Amino acid sequence: AQSVSQHNHHVILSEAASLELGCNYSYGGTVNLFWYVQYPGQHLQLLLKYFSGDPLVKGIKGFEAEFIKSKFSFNLRKPSVQWSDTAEYFCAAINQGGKLIFGQGTELSVKP
Amino acid sequence: DARVTQTPRHKVTEMGQEVTMRCQPILGHNTVFWYRQTMMQGLELLAYFRNRAPLDDSGMPKDRFSAEMPDATLATLKIQPSEPRDSAVYFCASGLMQGSTGELFFGEGSRLTVL
Repeated sequence: AQSVSQHNHHVILSEAASLELGCNYSYGGTVNLFWYVQYPGQHLQLLLKYFSGDPLVKGIKGFEAEFIKSKFSFNLRKPSVQWSDTAEYFCAAINQGGKLIFGQGTELSVKP
Repeated sequence: DARVTQTPRHKVTEMGQEVTMRCQPILGHNTVFWYRQTMMQGLELLAYFRNRAPLDDSGMPKDRFSAEMPDATLATLKIQPSEPRDSAVYFCASGLMQGSTGELFFGEGSRLTVL
């Protein structure tokens, strides 16, 4: 069955700490991958996406993600988080049929 | 600034009532998704459409939920009869998709509370 798993339910960091959020997917065939962010009370916004090419993808607000095909992973990273990064982060995968499925989400709390 | 528009933003209703949520996708987008977000289940895919045709609605409880796209500018999600467990935020998203490539844009969501 197609699925997306996010390892961490809730992550708490201090400002300036480095961030890595795990994401693994289970999909047959070609898959494209996304990370979305949802700030409190708001809708989802795209952080970055991977379709092909360089497996290290740079997104907005200093985020990046690395696609490792052999590990079925697409982890999100940021070298130094800010209080304003407090939000929920969703990994998502879409297959050739166009079905986009999200992981359970990781809530990030950044302490000032 | 193009955006996905959802109505109503908030809805409180009583169990057994019919609820209809509407979504206006971004003009020119060919794919529309409906998701339901709850604390317990996260973001669940309910249904999605490509060029107005339903591609997959396996995530939707068929006995009470229905999703349609009467035209390219309107997608609807209907619950009849509604139950307290349907309380959630329902998101619509649209995108110009070709196979698996493309980007989805999300609406602000419709927060439904069923008493």
